[in-house]
Amino acid sequence: GAVVSQHPSRVICKSGTSVKIECRSLDFQATTMFWYRQFPKKSLMLMATSNEGSKATYEQGVEKDKFLINHASLTLSTLTVTSAHPEDSSFYICSARGPQYQETQYFGPGTRLLVL
Amino acid sequence: AQSVTQLDSHVSVSEGTPVLLRCNYSSSYSPSLFWYVQHPNKGLQLLLKYTSAATLVKGINGFEAEFKKSETSFHLTKPSAHMSDAAEYFCVVGTNQAGTALIFGKGTTLSVSS
Repeated sequence: GAVVSQHPSRVICKSGTSVKIECRSLDFQATTMFWYRQFPKKSLMLMATSNEGSKATYEQGVEKDKFLINHASLTLSTLTVTSAHPEDSSFYICSARGPQYQETQYFGPGTRLLVL
Repeated sequence: AQSVTQLDSHVSVSEGTPVLLRCNYSSSYSPSLFWYVQHPNKGLQLLLKYTSAATLVKGINGFEAEFKKSETSFHLTKPSAHMSDAAEYFCVVGTNQAGTALIFGKGTTLSVSS
């Protein structure tokens, strides 16, 4: 149980385009989903927290107009990187938490974004 | 405020020898503490968690961690390292009593040599 998937696993795009990353909880209902960004050899940085049906809460310094988050259902959250630039290249990881798991977050496998 | 410090950025051990990855935390509340492992280009896998029950927590793959409130520590141990244990390990603290958000340590790279 507690499986989280992400799609795509890897994406390359041109500068100025938008990229959508999906995060799904496969076998539980995720009341809360989180989006993290991980730079090479660095720890994870929380970008935003989203609750189903509500607007996402963004961490300080994260541009909400650039990183659009939608948590449309209890099993799906999407992160859209709008007008991507090379500095947005990173490893994006989502996690999900369901009521039966209390504090524990279960992580997706991550999406490697490369912006040329 | 909550914070977590992983005392070693890199630990190297030989296969079959014990593993010790050190973690200290700071929390205004009774914390929730986690260890996650990340293999190269992979997502994070939960190894174990402490949520105010038993202070000695057993996790997957033979790992365990002991919560020591007096020392504000939550060190990860394993009696005998395997080559497959080579990975990045993150000590994580929940930021409030419900652990809504997580604060990650900077990670410890574990290398295992034959």
